[in-house]
Amino acid sequence: DTGVSQNPRHKITKRGQNVTFRCDPISEHNRLYWYRQTLGQGPEFLTYFQNEAQLEKSRLLSDRFSAERPKGSFSTLEIQRTEQGDSAMYLCASSLAAASGDYEQYFGPGTRLTVT
Amino acid sequence: AQKVTQAQTEISVVEKEDVTLDCVYETRDTTYYLFWYKQPPSGELVFLIRRNSFDEQNEISGRYSWNFQKSTSSFNFTITASQVVDSAVYFCALSEALETGANNLFFGTGTRLTVIP
Repeated sequence: DTGVSQNPRHKITKRGQNVTFRCDPISEHNRLYWYRQTLGQGPEFLTYFQNEAQLEKSRLLSDRFSAERPKGSFSTLEIQRTEQGDSAMYLCASSLAAASGDYEQYFGPGTRLTVT
Repeated sequence: AQKVTQAQTEISVVEKEDVTLDCVYETRDTTYYLFWYKQPPSGELVFLIRRNSFDEQNEISGRYSWNFQKSTSSFNFTITASQVVDSAVYFCALSEALETGANNLFFGTGTRLTVIP
């Protein structure tokens, strides 16, 4: 399987706990995006990496959220001191940069977080 | 500011009927991209099409066709002879090229299509 993969697929945690999600993009893709999707809504942009550099962060990304892409390959998204409002599907997407901009973004299956 | 409106929350059609999903967008940029994604019950977003703002030609791919009209800021999606496997939530999205090179996608709220056998 050469698509975008995400782990875990589901995570249930208690309020106040920390959680970390992993995304493995398509291997030749140099751009990686994180989105959040709540029930009945479209995905919302959280942050973006070009190789290992985090170049864009949405104001949705509070101080409790941190993302890394240490070697320009896989990425992790950590949420500290989780709150019930963090319950959502967290989606990762990757794309290949071109002179004219991005090619289309390919999405992973997502990690569904439930905070109890 | 960018905005994507999908006014149709849910649509039900009987198999083999044609169906059109509407998408209206707002942007102040002259260079932008429009997308359609499909999200089946399994949850994974599947890319369907990308169109840049300079290309208003309509496109057909099998049973799928797209109508892009800049004059009305619309990018509508038609499925011909719908099938049960077309049942999914369909998202229209807009992106603008930013200085950092990012092309963040701004999604509409989606249209849930149910095809009844």
